[in-house]
Amino acid sequence: GEDVEQSLFLSVREGDSSVINCTYTDSSSTYLYWYKQEPGAGLQLLTYIFSNMDMKQDQRLTVLLNKKDKHLSLRIADTQTGDSAIYFCAERFSGNTPLVFGKGTRLSVIA
Amino acid sequence: NAGVTQTPKFQVLKTGQSMTLQCAQDMNHEYMSWYRQDPGMGLRLIHYSVGAGITDQGEVPNGYNVSRSTTEDFPLRLLSAAPSQTSVYFCASSYTRGQGGVTGELFFGEGSRLTVL
Repeated sequence: GEDVEQSLFLSVREGDSSVINCTYTDSSSTYLYWYKQEPGAGLQLLTYIFSNMDMKQDQRLTVLLNKKDKHLSLRIADTQTGDSAIYFCAERFSGNTPLVFGKGTRLSVIA
Repeated sequence: NAGVTQTPKFQVLKTGQSMTLQCAQDMNHEYMSWYRQDPGMGLRLIHYSVGAGITDQGEVPNGYNVSRSTTEDFPLRLLSAAPSQTSVYFCASSYTRGQGGVTGELFFGEGSRLTVL
């Protein structure tokens, strides 16, 4: 079955880079996502990558995909206190199938 | 655009009571879903729908009912509330493949926090 795994906690100093890792099991996933959840709020899409891509960069965010190892990572450059949140990795086969989430990584940024 | 709207935002129930969590979206999304979020458990899928008249079970459907009579609305019913259903509930929607959805992005409501005593 489908399963998405990620570590639960990460702590970094302000200005450093953060790297959040995720592994997934469904090799047929078409879309892979990173969602961000701030306290008391819903989830917002941070970025996504198609399964036929290896890398995607968007300002401070870099997503790397290793399909062979089913490994997805999110790098946040120059991490700020406003980046403190829970980050969810998720996979989806198509717009007709459910989106499967990992348990979330709580990122704490120390000033 | 309102996006995905959930009501109520907060609710306290007694064990055995029933209630309906409302979800409405104004983006013409055919795909809608309900998740529950519990500490350390991430988001777990309760039910989902790929269009009006079509629903399917997710990972944790027991104790919950859904229906999809219109594209816009996808209510979640708790039949007889139990303390184990204390959670934060999220409704989310997206375009389906048939609608030409390119990214498959799921749009989320702000959540409904339910406490069952």
